[in-house]
Amino acid sequence: KAGVTQTPRYLIKTRGQQVTLSCSPISGHRSVSWYQQTPGQGLQFLFEYFSETQRNKGNFPGRFSGRQFSNSRSEMNVSTLELGDSALYLCASSLDPGGREQYFGPGTRLTVT
Amino acid sequence: GESVGLHLPTLSVQEGDNSIINCAYSNSASDYFIWYKQESGKGPQFIIDIRSNMDKRQGQRVTVLLNKTVKHLSLQIAATQPGDSAVYFCAENPHSGGSNYKLTFGKGTLLTVNP
Repeated sequence: KAGVTQTPRYLIKTRGQQVTLSCSPISGHRSVSWYQQTPGQGLQFLFEYFSETQRNKGNFPGRFSGRQFSNSRSEMNVSTLELGDSALYLCASSLDPGGREQYFGPGTRLTVT
Repeated sequence: GESVGLHLPTLSVQEGDNSIINCAYSNSASDYFIWYKQESGKGPQFIIDIRSNMDKRQGQRVTVLLNKTVKHLSLQIAATQPGDSAVYFCAENPHSGGSNYKLTFGKGTLLTVNP
């Protein structure tokens, strides 16, 4: 069974631009969560989607948004990029929301210059 | 590889020794705790979990201990191998399910296993 895939793996953007990251969950998994990982703040929860609905959201500004499609694939978008948005963005899938076992993808490394 | 922190607590052990990685959690309402392993260039990988109504749980070569009195969690790895070298994160969840699901991760500990 294929694992969680994320595209692209690496991305370089400039301040003020916007970016869209994609996540394909494990087949059959309906819940997708997004996390931001930085050296200073560690792993921080962004949001969780289930059945195309955002179920939970972390403490991030409105520039961070996401969505989920009917096939459970998810995208997250960051608008008006700032230098501090440089991070590893991780997607995790689980069978159900609040799932005990989340399976993480390899992440997308975003660098903002 | 992916660096997850310049100032992570570090633990260096010899191959074959037992390792103990510690974590302090903050929310006394957390009822579910998880340990993850993150190798360079990869996403976190689930290792073992424990519910708050337990104080010990064993897996293959790993044991998690939970002390709710002092809000402390530990991961013990038996007969540590070079392949165990990674960053280890603990995570807590105030609810085991439902709408308030929000994993909170610790900063991580870098484990280095010397051959």
